[in-house]
Amino acid sequence: ETGVTQTPRHLVMGMTNKKSLKCEQHLGHNAMYWYKQSAKKPLELMFVYNFKEQTENNSVPSRFSPECPNSSHLFLHLHTLQPEDSALYLCASSQEQGSPYGYTFGSGTRLTVV
Amino acid sequence: AQSVTQLDSHVSVSEGTPVLLRCNYSSSYSPSLFWYVQHPNKGLQLLLKYTSAATLVKGINGFEAEFKKSETSFHLTKPSAHMSDAAEYFCVVRPGGGGGADGLTFGKGTHLIIQP
Repeated sequence: ETGVTQTPRHLVMGMTNKKSLKCEQHLGHNAMYWYKQSAKKPLELMFVYNFKEQTENNSVPSRFSPECPNSSHLFLHLHTLQPEDSALYLCASSQEQGSPYGYTFGSGTRLTVV
Repeated sequence: AQSVTQLDSHVSVSEGTPVLLRCNYSSSYSPSLFWYVQHPNKGLQLLLKYTSAATLVKGINGFEAEFKKSETSFHLTKPSAHMSDAAEYFCVVRPGGGGGADGLTFGKGTHLIIQP
């Protein structure tokens, strides 16, 4: 385990469902990130939170809604997704936003939209 | 703006032979550079990082990388490959000035295959 825990590990949902992904870290980090990893594509940054405040929304469709209630927890709420949203969703954290010392990643949630 | 080029999408080596994964970068400022590894259906694990200290960086699992500013390269090497090294490897750059939403630019990845 890296210290960043993501649940669930796998999720299958229909296009009309609503679900949430959860990310938790107890590393004392102040920045948290959501990334999308699709096959044959580089990692795509989705959202950045620094000290619980959203500092970046990288042109992500509104069917993805992040929530950061505190510095240790990050959620990604999903609704009316499309099949092309199927991907591995990775959460990461760092001491502060853009830390030069690297990020700690979770194991990801493998999402399949049917 | 910064960029990262991983020169090989796939590398295949025999077990026990050396590994070389190539990475070139461009950055306006003195960068921080990272190598991450991703095993199937897992998240990314930090292998090693360069943050303007020693140019030869040693990481976990016997990997090391050398920062060569004149060649703008940060190639990853290991003297002897093990079957457990089979994975996807990502080179990542962060410019010294920060920059960007989270400051990181990821390469497209190199898939390392280990032949028995």
